Amino acid sequence: SQKIEQNSEALNIQEGKTATLTCNYTNYSPAYLQWYRQDPGRGPVFLLLIRENEKEKRKERLKVTFDTTLKQSLFHITASQPADSATYLCALGLSSASKIIFGSGTRLSIRP
Amino acid sequence: DVKVTQSSRYLVKRTGEKVFLECVQDMDHENMFWYRQDPGLGLRLIYFSYDVKMKEKGDIPEGYSVSREKKERFSLILESASTNQTSMYLCASSLGLTNEKLFFGSGTQLSVL
Repeated sequence: SQKIEQNSEALNIQEGKTATLTCNYTNYSPAYLQWYRQDPGRGPVFLLLIRENEKEKRKERLKVTFDTTLKQSLFHITASQPADSATYLCALGLSSASKIIFGSGTRLSIRP
Repeated sequence: DVKVTQSSRYLVKRTGEKVFLECVQDMDHENMFWYRQDPGLGLRLIYFSYDVKMKEKGDIPEGYSVSREKKERFSLILESASTNQTSMYLCASSLGLTNEKLFFGSGTQLSVL
């Protein structure tokens, strides 16, 4: 069956450390993968997109990797801050301008 | 910046009622989506549309229908609301073509009693 799994429901990290979130999928062939941030009571906000032919993308303190052989994406936040506390969602784009499927999310807490 | 507006933040309806959830985007986006979000289940795609009057089923279309008569507006319809449709409903839009970034509304928390 088709699945998107994010490594854990919740992750607690000490401020200043690197947070690493995992997204694994099975029986999908995504054209691209996205990461979103969601704060309580709000809609998700887009962070990064990485395409199937790309290995790594960076944006400020964020880094995403995409391994289509392992069917896995890793999302890193370096020098984490309490303001980074939120739920992070990965999403697979199954073809250009078409269906986008989400994982269930990982709730990240950064403690001071 | 793109704005996606959902008509209601909170909605309470009775079982069997017909419910309309409205979504409007102001950036001429081609694609629009309806998701529901439940604890532990993440966002699940109900329907999406890539053009006016076009619609595609997502993963959980049963019990729902949609309407896209104008490019900027995408409506989700619950023909006969049931208690298992109590959820947070999120609308999103994207430019389309090669720009797949989703812009979300703030969501509608629907309670069916």
